[in-house]
Amino acid sequence: ILNVEQSPQSLHVQEGDSTNFTCSFPSSNFYALHWYRWETAKSPEALFVMTLNGDEKKKGRISATLNTKEGYSYLYIKGSQPEDSATYLCAHGVGSYDKVIFGPGTSLSVIP
Amino acid sequence: DSGVTQTPKHLITATGQRVTLRCSPRSGDLSVYWYQQSLDQGLQFLIQYYNGEERAKGNILERFSAQQFPDLHSELNLSSLELGDSALYFCASSAMNYGYTFGSGTRLTVV
Repeated sequence: ILNVEQSPQSLHVQEGDSTNFTCSFPSSNFYALHWYRWETAKSPEALFVMTLNGDEKKKGRISATLNTKEGYSYLYIKGSQPEDSATYLCAHGVGSYDKVIFGPGTSLSVIP
Repeated sequence: DSGVTQTPKHLITATGQRVTLRCSPRSGDLSVYWYQQSLDQGLQFLIQYYNGEERAKGNILERFSAQQFPDLHSELNLSSLELGDSALYFCASSAMNYGYTFGSGTRLTVV
């Protein structure tokens, strides 16, 4: 993997469903992995920054895991709510905290 | 308020013109980044400054330039504007282990 990839590109779930999506990144020269939530008509907002293999972060119903050796991170949303509808971006930090490459995002729509 | 201030919020200008977008980073952050989001596109990295010096360059057109001043605010200059330059331009700043903090963006419309 040469770039940051995210899957799926988009996702529609029913309110109350749990969901997860994937970020894949090159495993070499890893520094950090970021997750952002980007709501329509707003600016991206940082959810998590993870730096260590095996890191797990949690904020409310949202959690993330990191595997730097195989180059992937998962974002989980438990009991999705309509307000979770947004694009979720991951970003791969390469070599230092301030060199970050963004993925294309996963667009999540939660249907009431 | 994220702490990153961008002005103006909206800008409408004609083709061929030049505009300047301004960004003040979050207090204490030395790095400033500029991103472009065109219609249905993701974040396209344009350029990064760190403490007044250019640190990284992305897919920035030659018609575009930027600088970061001693007080750490940054300006993105867009010249000879074309219709295709219409986009949302984000500025962000960062600090170690805190991720990026984005401003609210400047929506540029070229008519």
